[in-house]
Amino acid sequence: ELKVEQNPLFLSMQEGKNYTIYCNYSTTSDRLYWYRQDPGKSLESLFVLLSNGAVKQEGRLMASLDTKARLSTLHITAAVHDLSATYFCAVPLGYNNNDMRFGAGTRLTVKP
Amino acid sequence: EAGVAQSPRYKIIEKRQSVAFWCNPISGHATLYWYQQILGQGPKLLIQFQNNGVVDDSQLPKDRFSAERLKGVDSTLKIQPAKLEDSAVYLCASSFGKNLSPLHFGNGTRLTVT
Repeated sequence: ELKVEQNPLFLSMQEGKNYTIYCNYSTTSDRLYWYRQDPGKSLESLFVLLSNGAVKQEGRLMASLDTKARLSTLHITAAVHDLSATYFCAVPLGYNNNDMRFGAGTRLTVKP
Repeated sequence: EAGVAQSPRYKIIEKRQSVAFWCNPISGHATLYWYQQILGQGPKLLIQFQNNGVVDDSQLPKDRFSAERLKGVDSTLKIQPAKLEDSAVYLCASSFGKNLSPLHFGNGTRLTVT
């Protein structure tokens, strides 16, 4: 059974600081997705990582994928308050299947 | 483009009652998903449709949950009878169906069972 684990589950950081969120998964997958969820809102797609070594960047967020280590990272650079949200990684069950298994989420709070 | 539409936004029912949720996916999206998100957890897939056929319902509690997607567009998810542990946000998502596309989520229905 595919298991997706994120850490940390809770992260409180100061504005301007850097930090990394980790996502480990238990079975082989060539793809990984990152989503953001604001309180009371739905999930918004952030990144789609499609191959080993893939790196995507959007603003202060950068995501990478290492399929051999079954690990993805979401790096936050010089955090700002607007980044406060819950971040989920998700891994599809199979190559021809978009059935996603989600991690438990990392609740990020950026303090001034 | 219009997003995934869901209704109602909130629902409060007593245990053993029944409830239904509605979802209208993004136009042209062949694949539709229902997820259950319990407070503090990641979404858990309940059922996946490809057009009007079920692809995966392995995690759907079939003794009380049912879902249909008539004509391959709108979908309804029903719970009958509801239990306290069904309190959650029910998210509908859709995608083109191609294996590279991310899911587009609706705003969800927050269900409280008392």
